[in-house]
Amino acid sequence: NAGVMQNPRHLVRRRGQEARLRCSPMKGHSHVYWYRQLPEEGLKFMVYLQKENIIDESGMPKERFSAEFPKEGPSILRIQQVVRGDSAAYFCASSPTGPDTQYFGPGTRLTVL
Amino acid sequence: TQLLEQSPQFLSIQEGENLTVYCNSSSVFSSLQWYRQEPGEGPVLLVTVVTGGEVKKLKRLTFQFGDARKDSSLHITAAQPGDTGLYLCAGASGAGSYQLTFGKGTKLSVIP
Repeated sequence: NAGVMQNPRHLVRRRGQEARLRCSPMKGHSHVYWYRQLPEEGLKFMVYLQKENIIDESGMPKERFSAEFPKEGPSILRIQQVVRGDSAAYFCASSPTGPDTQYFGPGTRLTVL
Repeated sequence: TQLLEQSPQFLSIQEGENLTVYCNSSSVFSSLQWYRQEPGEGPVLLVTVVTGGEVKKLKRLTFQFGDARKDSSLHITAAQPGDTGLYLCAGASGAGSYQLTFGKGTKLSVIP
């Protein structure tokens, strides 16, 4: 059973460009969570999605950030007009039911030049 | 806002020693998870504890959930270099919340 897949593993963008991060949950998991980890900081929740629905986006900045989990295909975290402060590791997790047991992907490390 | 405090922040021990790391909060959690994270990788789930007072063992690792479900500990017996890593605790508050609240972690180094 393949784990949570994320791509790309590393992404470099210049200020003002768009970043698109992809996450394929584990097989049979319909719950997807996105977290951000800044250097020397803990993981911070951003958004929780089920298929075609955003359930909780309370941790996601109101501007420039969006997330989706379409009926077909991976979940996408999109960051428009990136700034240097967006540089971080972004992790996706999936679970078969609720939040109690989440399995994490390897992360996407975003660097904004 | 719920917070999880982990201690110690850094721990360096010799191979074969025992150690305990702690995860404390003033808030009650419906469940608590322990993860280990290697540099450049995602957190790997070690255990989920749900019941107050619960003790779970995973080989040389023993996890305990406090009676009041506000704190947890991880004890490692006879540490090995392969135990080196960042140990994270994360709590789920339940009550309609879907997010995990993470501590900043304990960075463990086991010296051969």
